[in-house]
Formats: sequence, structure tokens, C-alpha cells
Amino acid sequence: DAGVIQSPRHEVTEMGQEVTLRCKPISGHNSLFWYRQTMMRGLELLIYFNNNVPIDDSGMPEDRFSAKMPNASFSTLKIQPSEPRDSAVYFCASSPRTSGVETQYFGPGTRLLVL
Amino acid sequence: QKEVEQNSGPLSVPEGAIASLNCTYSDRGSQSFFWYRQYSGKSPELIMFIYSNGDKEDGRFTAQLNKASQYVSLLIRDSQPSDSATYLCAVISNFGNEKLTFGTGTRLTIIP
Repeated sequence: DAGVIQSPRHEVTEMGQEVTLRCKPISGHNSLFWYRQTMMRGLELLIYFNNNVPIDDSGMPEDRFSAKMPNASFSTLKIQPSEPRDSAVYFCASSPRTSGVETQYFGPGTRLLVL
Repeated sequence: QKEVEQNSGPLSVPEGAIASLNCTYSDRGSQSFFWYRQYSGKSPELIMFIYSNGDKEDGRFTAQLNKASQYVSLLIRDSQPSDSATYLCAVISNFGNEKLTFGTGTRLTIIP
């Protein structure tokens, strides 16, 4: 299996621009998570989906952030407009949740720099 | 108070010694506890999870949980230079929920 796939791996953009991050979970996994990691705040859960339905979006920082999961094999995290404080590494993870708690498998991350 | 707290380190341990990593959590109702390892510039990977009080061993790794003290630790025996990484403690507060709350991590360096 190819693991969780994220694109782009690096993104440099200017303040005010729209940024779209993409994620393809591991085939057969039905839970998908978006995290943000910074030196100051560590690794924070932004939102997670189960069977394509958003379950918990309490970590989404503000209305500038939105996430979608139109089908089981694709999700996007969009920031519009972007700000310098959004600079971070954004990870997508998936898990094969059937019952109880399952291991979350992380993608390689997208390194975002907003100038 | 942060929900999950770890000493940021760096923690330096001689090769072959035991590395001890500690984590405390604030939600007394927390159910599940995880240790992730993250190499510099890489993504986190799960090392161990523990649900019940006591010790859980997996190879050179032992996770210890004390719910009364709201404390979870990770011991690494016979430390190797390849163990040098940041170790993240993570907690799930409600059973059946998948939301992981992470500590900020402890940077471990194994000195050859």
C-alpha cells in the first residue's frame, strides 16, 4: 500500500492567497484526520471525518479554514485567505476504524509557508 | 493548564542506557494513551498504546500508565542512536471518540 498521500509536499504563498491541501487516505480506511504542527503549539487536530462525514471540527481555527471529504478516497483542507500565522506543517492521517480505537497512519505532511 | 504535558527536553541518554519519557494529562476521564515517535522532518508514527493501569511491554519499549496520578510514561531499554527523535504523548478522552490530543513532545538524543 502507498500509505497516506498528501499534496503538495511544500507550498509557498503570499498572504491573502487561497491555499488548498489535498489528501488521499489509505484504501479501506474510513476515518480521516487533519492536523497542524507548529513549534509553539505542537500537533493539533483540526478536524476529523468518519465515513466522509465531519465528526469533530472544534479544532478548526476560524472561518478561513474549511475541509471537505467528497468521497472515501479524497479530502481537501482549504485556507482562504491565508495569513503568515498559518505557516505550519499540515498532516493528514487515516485509520481503519471498525470498533474501538485504531492506529492513525500519518501522511508525509505539507509544509506551508505564507509570506 | 495544557491537556497533555511533556517536558520538551532535550533529554540526552548514553547509548545502551534506559531512556525514560514522561507525560501527564489533565482529563481524569481519559481512556486511551499513545506514544508516537517523530524523526526530524518526518511524520509521527505510533510506537505503543495503553488502556489499562500498569505496564505494557513491546520489545525494548515499555509503556506505564497510572490513572490515579494521571501519568503515563515510556521506557526505552538498551537505547540506540536510532532512537533519537521527538516522542509525542497523545490521549483520547472519551472511549469511542477518535480525537487525539497531543503533548508538545520530548526531544530525545542518544549519545553514542
